[in-house]
Amino acid sequence: DVKVTQSSRYLVKRTGEKVFLECVQDMDHENMFWYRQDPGLGLRLIYFSYDVKMKEKGDIPEGYSVSREKKERFSLILESASTNQTSMYLCASTRLVQGVYEQYFGPGTRLTVT
Amino acid sequence: GENVEQHPSTLSVQEGDSAVIKCTYSDSASNYFPWYKQELGKGPQLIIDIRSNVGEKKDQRIAVTLNKTAKHFSLHITETQPEDSAVYFCAASKGQAGTALIFGKGTTLSVSS
Repeated sequence: DVKVTQSSRYLVKRTGEKVFLECVQDMDHENMFWYRQDPGLGLRLIYFSYDVKMKEKGDIPEGYSVSREKKERFSLILESASTNQTSMYLCASTRLVQGVYEQYFGPGTRLTVT
Repeated sequence: GENVEQHPSTLSVQEGDSAVIKCTYSDSASNYFPWYKQELGKGPQLIIDIRSNVGEKKDQRIAVTLNKTAKHFSLHITETQPEDSAVYFCAASKGQAGTALIFGKGTTLSVSS
């Protein structure tokens, strides 16, 4: 069974804090993704990684960075949290099935920045 | 780049009725079209997908159709039940390594009993 876990379900941080969101998959998936989800805006891609130490910017990378030191773990970093980063953050990883990459999501982390 | 439009944004049906959600995509190179269901407080769950070499796929009460010429695909849910109430997302991609899914903005389906 495909399983993607995220370190926290709910997180409250103060403006200016450095925030780490962790995502782990134990299925040896190569590709991992970070999205944020906001009402009316759907899912927007922040960053993704297709291999260890590799990363690609998504549609909205400003204010975020990522780290992938090991294949199973993909971290999203908010260097200095701001109130406009209050959102639901979703991690995903993909597995190859019959020639295409199926994507599976974690449960999400609801981050509130006050 | 790819753009995915999804309609309607909200859909209310009576239990037992059918529900249809439609999406259009712009990149003719896209070949993989998954659908996700997101229940309140949870991450999106893959419920069905279709590849570009297939016109229709069915899994119990859920079916997806694809029209490559018109570049649109649809989700059909028959005999809806209250537990079908959720937000549904369509997506499109080229299905290759290192490529991301492009999502529609979602449809909130409400099934009343």
